[in-house]
Order: sequence, then structure tokens, then C-alpha cells
Amino acid sequence: AQTVTQSQPEMSVQEAETVTLSCTYDTSESDYYLFWYKQPPSRQMILVIRQEAYKQQNATENRFSVNFQKAAKSFSLKISDSQLGDAAMYFCAYRSNTGNQFYFGTGTSLTVIP
Amino acid sequence: KAGVTQTPRYLIKTRGQQVTLSCSPISGHRSVSWYQQTPGQGLQFLFEYFSETQRNKGNFPGRFSGRQFSNSRSEMNVSTLELGDSALYLCASSLAFPNYEQYFGPGTRLTVT
Repeated sequence: AQTVTQSQPEMSVQEAETVTLSCTYDTSESDYYLFWYKQPPSRQMILVIRQEAYKQQNATENRFSVNFQKAAKSFSLKISDSQLGDAAMYFCAYRSNTGNQFYFGTGTSLTVIP
Repeated sequence: KAGVTQTPRYLIKTRGQQVTLSCSPISGHRSVSWYQQTPGQGLQFLFEYFSETQRNKGNFPGRFSGRQFSNSRSEMNVSTLELGDSALYLCASSLAFPNYEQYFGPGTRLTVT
């Protein structure tokens, strides 16, 4: 089974600064999808960004961007100009192109310091 | 469009009882997945349903079961509750192929005493 590892249980960032959350995964597949989800204290999980493995270009959504290194099986999330509303638990997730199951990392709790 | 809804939001049960949780997916979504979230284990996949059929199942005991109805609404049942079943149960829906994004509901917080 695929595994997703988030090695940073907790991170903190000063408001308006940039922070990078790490994620690595293990797979033997060549085609798959990667996601970052955000879970604020209200508990509703929200999709932040998605990356298709066949695309070399890194995905970007406003202040959120990823650094996708396929050979290294690394998928980090960069949050620029951090805002108080970015404080949440962030989960990295993997889904193969053939299966229907998502595999989630254990999450990184991000604190934004005013 | 209305989002994924889950009922009830909070539930307190005692050991040995059974519980049924409900999930209504986003209109048009035919795939529903269930996850158990605990502080120690993170999100663990329970099962996924598509068009009333279970397509995938995670590594949980048979006490955990589910079903999906023709309108794509899904229910999850846990029998003979144990203290370790206390968790946030999340439901997520998606259009399935070729859209792989999952949209989550707010969850049901189950406490077993």
C-alpha cells in the first residue's frame, strides 16, 4: 500500500512570512494525484491544491504553491504571505490513477503568529 | 450547491451499543468515502461506495459496515462499540473518474463511554 509521510507534526510562521510544509510518499506507480487539504479548528476539511503526477509544472493557487519532485517522491506546500486564517491542520494525500482510495499523512499543525 | 452534510454532528454512546451515522453527498456526486480521524492515527480509510456498491475497504474489523442508497446517501454502522471507537468520522464525496477531488463533510464526533 502507498504511504504518505509528514515529518513535521507542528510548524509555526510569523504573519506575512512564508512557510513550507513537507510531504513524502512511497509508491511504485507512475501516474497518480497528490493533494493538500486544510482542516481549520472548525473541522471542515478543505481542498487547498491538487497536483497531477504527469504534469511537470508545479500547481499554484493564489498564495499556495507546491514543489513537486517526482523522482524524490516529495510534495511540499509553500504558503506565502501567511495569514491568521491559514492556521489549521494540513494533510497531504495521495491517490493512484487506478484505485479509488485516498491515503493521508498524519498532518502538520500550522500556527500563525500575529 | 450544498456541501456534504453529516448527521448527527455529535453523539455519545456507551460500550456495547451500536450507532448509525449518515452522510449526504454533494448533488451529483456518486462516490462516498468514510474516514475515521483520531489524534494518534490521523485519517484512516474505512470504505468507499459508488453506485450502491462497496468498491474499497480499509483495514477495520467487521463491526464497521456501511451502505449506499440509490440517491447516493450513505450510512455507516458500528456495532458493539468499544472505547477506541471514539473519533471524528468524516464522510467525503466525489464525482469519481475522472475527477479525483474529494469534498468533506463537517464530521460526526462520536464519544463512547
